[in-house]
Amino acid sequence: SQTIHQWPATLVQPVGSPLSLECTVEGTSNPNLYWYRQAAGRGLQLLFYSVGIGQISSEVPQNLSASRPQDRQFILSSKKLLLSDSGFYLCAWNPGGQAYGYTFGSGTRLTVV
Amino acid sequence: AQSVAQPEDQVNVAEGNPLTVKCTYSVSGNPYLFWYVQYPNRGLQFLLKYITGDNLVKGSYGFEAEFNKSQTSFQLKKPSALVSDSALYFCAVREFIDMRFGAGTRLTVKP
Repeated sequence: SQTIHQWPATLVQPVGSPLSLECTVEGTSNPNLYWYRQAAGRGLQLLFYSVGIGQISSEVPQNLSASRPQDRQFILSSKKLLLSDSGFYLCAWNPGGQAYGYTFGSGTRLTVV
Repeated sequence: AQSVAQPEDQVNVAEGNPLTVKCTYSVSGNPYLFWYVQYPNRGLQFLLKYITGDNLVKGSYGFEAEFNKSQTSFQLKKPSALVSDSALYFCAVREFIDMRFGAGTRLTVKP
């Protein structure tokens, strides 16, 4: 069966420090991968998605970047964190095709101080 | 572009009563609609989806959803609410590549 792993679960980082959040999927190949941010426990904002290795699409220009160095690995990064980067970050995958929903990771709570 | 709207920020029901969480959609073409639930500090969990076929879709944990094409609605329902159903619920519509989520409705079930 397919599983998705996201870590760390919580992270407290000072302003100006770098960020690296990792997401991996097991039990499937060539998944579509997504990074979302959820602010204030509410709506989801799509940050990046990827349909293949090295293919990254950005939805919102901001202080973050994403990379997909391997088929089932998706990384969210920042060189210098801002206070406004605080939030709950969610990784998700799906096998492609509109009939399929997403499977989400357990999320990372990032607090920038 | 496809979109969904959840008109209620908050829904309160008493345990044992039926619950309904509203969602309306706007799509070009056939709608692919989903409901997800999120518990505090957790990822979203899939509840059910409508792709085609019967207008009443059954899902996890006793939830079901009613698709209404004429009203462009996809309402989440449960005949008898449990306190443990208290959570944040998201309606979503599938785009070709990604998925668009509503703003979420917080359901509180009181004992």
